[in-house]
Formats: sequence, C-alpha cells, structure tokens
Amino acid sequence: GESVGLHLPTLSVQEGDNSIINCAYSNSASDYFIWYKQESGKGPQFIIDIRSNMDKRQGQRVTVLLNKTVKHLSLQIAATQPGDSAVYFCAESTDKLIFGTGTRLQVFP
Amino acid sequence: NAGVTQTPKFQVLKTGQSMTLQCAQDMNHEYMSWYRQDPGMGLRLIHYSVGAGITDQGEVPNGYNVSRSTTEDFPLRLLSAAPSQTSVYFCASSYGGRDSPLHFGNGTRLTVT
Repeated sequence: GESVGLHLPTLSVQEGDNSIINCAYSNSASDYFIWYKQESGKGPQFIIDIRSNMDKRQGQRVTVLLNKTVKHLSLQIAATQPGDSAVYFCAESTDKLIFGTGTRLQVFP
Repeated sequence: NAGVTQTPKFQVLKTGQSMTLQCAQDMNHEYMSWYRQDPGMGLRLIHYSVGAGITDQGEVPNGYNVSRSTTEDFPLRLLSAAPSQTSVYFCASSYGGRDSPLHFGNGTRLTVT
C-alpha cells in the first residue's frame, strides 16, 4: 500500500550546523510534496512544498530536494537554530494527502 | 488574521458522551478538513469539505459527524465517545484542496475515559 516513511525518528545537530531530514515515499504517481514543522503543543506549520516537475526548491534557510528516481524527499535546514527544534513531517499527495510519522530535530548549543 | 481557531484546547469525556469540537477559519478557504494525530502514526483524515454544504468522509470517519453550513465553520461531532477516540484533533484549511498547503489549528487534546 501507499506509505510515507522517514529514515530517522530523531536527528540531533549542533547549533549552526546544517540539518538534513529525509523522507521516502512509495507512490510514483505522487505529484505534490510538502514539509511541515510541528512544535510541541501546536499544530503543523507549512514550511515548503514542491511539485513533481521540479527537483529542488529553496526557501528562507530551507531547501527541499526531490529525487523521483528513488522516490526520496529531503529537507535541508541551513545554519540550524534552537528555534528549529521540532518534529518535521513530510507528506505526499496523489488523490489524497498522506503524512509521514515525523522526525524529531533536536538542536544543541 | 487569526487563521484556524480550534476550541476547546483540552477535553475529557466519559465513554458514551457526545461533544462538538469547534473549528473556524478567517482566510475564506473553501477546503476544510479534520485530522487525528496518534503516537507513532501520521495524521489521518477524518472528514473534509470542499465548500459550504459539501462534506465527505476521509480515512477514519466512523464515530464522527461533520457539517459545513458556512465557509468559516467546520465543527466535528463525536456521537458517542469511545476510548479509541482519545487523540489530538486538528482542523485544517486550504484554498485549493489536496495540492495546496494546509493551514492547521493548534489542536484539541481529547481524552475519553
């Protein structure tokens, strides 16, 4: 069946380093992908999205890379800050939106 | 601009009780939806609406009802609460459905004893 997975449940990085959060998806028909950030006690917050006709998209300090050949999605956060500590979800969309279980990013000083 | 507002933030129910989780958005979004979030699982869609007067079932609709009488409001009703409905519930809206970003509320944490 369809699934959206994450390679690591927890990622620990030092403040100022770059973070890379990975996501694998299984449906080659998915044409829209989204990353969300969820802080404790809050709802998911949209970070960045990418459509299947693109390989890369950049935002403010974040970059999403899409590799359709291996069905892999990644979120890169540059110069990670303590405020980036949160759970990050990827989601894929075909006729419906499917969320992954999330990766917890911990930022240490 | 408040975005998506959910009330209450916390609720404890006894098995068999009913209640309504409120959701309102002020972004004039046509698409609204309800998700539940359980440990170790991705967000799961309960019900959704593509506009006033139109609702449809999502992945886990059993035990829940919705209505959409206005663009702004999308309440979720639990008909007869069960311990399996203990979860965190999120309401979300977007302007364009499945291929546009969802804006989420801050959730309602529901415990059913």
